[in-house]
Amino acid sequence: EDQVTQSPEALRLQEGESSSLNCSYTVSGLRGLFWYRQDPGKGPEFLFTLYSAGEEKEKERLKATLTKKESFLHITAPKPEDSATYLCAVAAGAAGNKLTFGGGTRVLVKP
Amino acid sequence: NAGVTQTPKFRILKIGQSMTLQCTQDMNHNYMYWYRQDPGMGLKLIYYSVGAGITDKGEVPNGYNVSRSTTEDFPLRLELAAPSQTSVYFCASRSSNQPQHFGDGTRLSIL
Repeated sequence: EDQVTQSPEALRLQEGESSSLNCSYTVSGLRGLFWYRQDPGKGPEFLFTLYSAGEEKEKERLKATLTKKESFLHITAPKPEDSATYLCAVAAGAAGNKLTFGGGTRVLVKP
Repeated sequence: NAGVTQTPKFRILKIGQSMTLQCTQDMNHNYMYWYRQDPGMGLKLIYYSVGAGITDKGEVPNGYNVSRSTTEDFPLRLELAAPSQTSVYFCASRSSNQPQHFGDGTRLSIL
């Protein structure tokens, strides 16, 4: 059974204080690892897809990296508007049609 | 493009009542999904569809039914509402080799 664990559950940062979120996964045949951002009362919004160990993707203050067992989402010099819940999900198996989500990390960036 | 549209946005049901959550997408996506998200948790897959006329169970299908008669629509049916089905329900869609796009959810309370 595919498993995805995110840590920490919650993170409070001062504006400008860089940090990293962790996503550990156990799957059979990774087809892709996905990061989403979710604002209160909204659906998840796609950020990145990573496919193989060593791959990195960047978007503004966010950078996602992937190893064979985990992924990190680095937030560099965060701003209050980066406050959100960040969700990690994996697609695995022969078809890779389904996503298995982690529990998310709630990030609060204080000015 | 409206993307993925879910209706209603909010609903309160009594135990034992039935209802249908509507989901429609205008992106001509083959794949569609239903998730539930409980407070402070990640998303759990209820049902999914890889195309019109084809549906399959996800991780938590009990108490729900789906149909996919058209590419655009993927309704989720609750036949006998139970308090354990109080949750936020998200619909998503995607095309091949693309990430899932989510609607903004239906918040359902069963009392």
